[in-house]
Amino acid sequence: AQRVTQPEKLLSVFKGAPVELKCNYSYSGSPELFWYVQYSRQRLQLLLRHISRESIKGFTADLNKGETSFHLKKPFAQEEDSAMYYCALGWNTGFQKLVFGTGTRLLVSP
Amino acid sequence: KAGVTQTPRYLIKTRGQQVTLSCSPISGHRSVSWYQQTPGQGLQFLFEYFSETQRNKGNFPGRFSGRQFSNSRSEMNVSTLELGDSALYLCASTLAGGPAGELFFGEGSRLTVL
Repeated sequence: AQRVTQPEKLLSVFKGAPVELKCNYSYSGSPELFWYVQYSRQRLQLLLRHISRESIKGFTADLNKGETSFHLKKPFAQEEDSAMYYCALGWNTGFQKLVFGTGTRLLVSP
Repeated sequence: KAGVTQTPRYLIKTRGQQVTLSCSPISGHRSVSWYQQTPGQGLQFLFEYFSETQRNKGNFPGRFSGRQFSNSRSEMNVSTLELGDSALYLCASTLAGGPAGELFFGEGSRLTVL
């Protein structure tokens, strides 16, 4: 069965420190991985997808099929990065079903 | 462009009652998905509708049902409510044929079952 694991419920860092939010997935086929973010009092929104290989708001994520991981990284955290981050797994069936991890709350302190 | 709109935003029901939640997708979006969010289980997929047809369903009991209308608006219904149904119910819409996984979420309907 498809599963997404985010081992950390809370990650607390200081401004300017590097950030790595961990995500591991379980899927035997060809996965599509995403990071969603929810800022305080805002809707859940897509941050980035692995297939785009883009950097959004300084965040990057690389799909490592060998380790079945899709960790989210940012070299220098900012206070405005404080939010709830969800890793999500999809697969290329044309359907819009995603399996979400339980989320990691990132807290960036000044 | 208006975002995904969900109504009602908050509601309280008692066990055994039923509830209907509504979702209006972004204009032009024809796919609507529903998710249940709870502190213990996180976000769990309920079902997806496209062109008035349910094309994918999550692992929920038959008490959970939904439908989509010709204007792409969707409703979900939960019958014979149980305490464990207390949750935030999120609706998400996306363009038909759009990038996989690019879901646009509403603010959710928070259901409390007493």
